[in-house]
Amino acid sequence: QKEVEQDPGPLSVPEGAIVSLNCTYSNSAFQYFMWYRQYSRKGPELLMYTYSSGNKEDGRFTAQVDKSSKYISLFIRDSQPSDSATYLCAMSAIRSASGGSYIPTFGRGTSLIVHP
Amino acid sequence: GAVVSQHPSRVICKSGTSVKIECRSLDFQATTMFWYRQFPKQSLMLMATSNEGSKATYEQGVEKDKFLINHASLTLSTLTVTSAHPEDSSFYICSAIPTGRNEQYFGPGTRLTVT
Repeated sequence: QKEVEQDPGPLSVPEGAIVSLNCTYSNSAFQYFMWYRQYSRKGPELLMYTYSSGNKEDGRFTAQVDKSSKYISLFIRDSQPSDSATYLCAMSAIRSASGGSYIPTFGRGTSLIVHP
Repeated sequence: GAVVSQHPSRVICKSGTSVKIECRSLDFQATTMFWYRQFPKQSLMLMATSNEGSKATYEQGVEKDKFLINHASLTLSTLTVTSAHPEDSSFYICSAIPTGRNEQYFGPGTRLTVT
């Protein structure tokens, strides 16, 4: 079992739909959660990051973390064709004072297609 | 803020030559930078972790003598692909973590083609 599981898709939705992207993980040490968006032939762009459980909202994006279920989600409201990209989740343990591991572990990415 | 640049964005070289790719954090200091490789429609593959002032840590299966990494300052890391072969053709992406933080910022990537 991989540490981070993410369905590669593709996920195809009509413009204006609410999109739900998800990742599950197995390492209970993960405390820091990130979502990236990657367009073709570009580097990943950090969309959101959050510590531990709870919700965080930024414009049309909401990141949700459920540590009890080891499950994280990214919701996109009012999806647009320009949102079509690959979305990667990433997570890491928080660097400790003794220098604990902080190298992020990535999901394989979900390809999202928003059609007009 | 938190911008990472890479140079060059695209390079074509002949088999057997060496190519250097630069990664710079423009508006923050980064004790740690990472180098990834990505094949078409595949996920990121971590090649090595670069720490300022010390030797890089390579992932299993990555040849340290072929992919030379130097992290000479808190804002610059370089990856040199030595004696390049066509199978080294790929998209190379660097990233950096601001010192004292946890989130990772990526560069725009460098597309290497070896002919």
